Amino acid sequence: DAGVIQSPRHEVTEMGQEVTLRCKPISGHDYLFWYRQTMMRGLELLIYFNNNVPIDDSGMPEDRFSAKMPNASFSTLKIQPSEPRDSAVYFCASSPTGVWSQPQHFGDGTRLSIL
Amino acid sequence: EDKVVQSPLSLVVHEGDTVTLNCSYEVTNFRSLLWYKQEKKAPTFLFMLTSSGIEKKSGRLSSILDKKELFSILNITATQTGDSAVYLCAVGNPLRSGNTPLVFGKGTRLSVIA
Repeated sequence: DAGVIQSPRHEVTEMGQEVTLRCKPISGHDYLFWYRQTMMRGLELLIYFNNNVPIDDSGMPEDRFSAKMPNASFSTLKIQPSEPRDSAVYFCASSPTGVWSQPQHFGDGTRLSIL
Repeated sequence: EDKVVQSPLSLVVHEGDTVTLNCSYEVTNFRSLLWYKQEKKAPTFLFMLTSSGIEKKSGRLSSILDKKELFSILNITATQTGDSAVYLCAVGNPLRSGNTPLVFGKGTRLSVIA
């Protein structure tokens, strides 16, 4: 049974470049979440979708960040232009219902380094 | 502002020891508390707690929630080196408009040495 699949696993790029992170949720899961994890701030929710519709993007740090979910099996998180402070591990997670009744399943993350 | 605080931040124990990890929270409209274990990659789910006083158990791990005092503990008995990980606590709060549905603590880093 395939879990949440993220790509790429690692990304190293120079500041100012556009970065696109990809996520395939578990089939049948209606909720998709994007998180960012750093040592300083821990795991922070950036945005989440329900049935492909963004529900809460209050965690998105600024306009340089955008996320889309064009269909039930694919989502992207884009940073343009990227900055060194965006360096972090970005996780995608999905769940069949809201997190208050079912746990989320996390992907293995994308380790992003902005030079 | 919703808050989840875990303690201790890090812990080193010897194999066979018993450990207790703490999670306290302040959140409006509490719905559930979740524990995750994170080794090198993705957090993996351990427990979801919604009711006070009911212990959840899985092998050597157990957890309990106190909704009056707003905290939860995660116990690990007879620790093994494979228990070394960061343990994350998160609280679900779906009802507050514009708020995130899951707030995570910064985690407790557990190191079990042989």
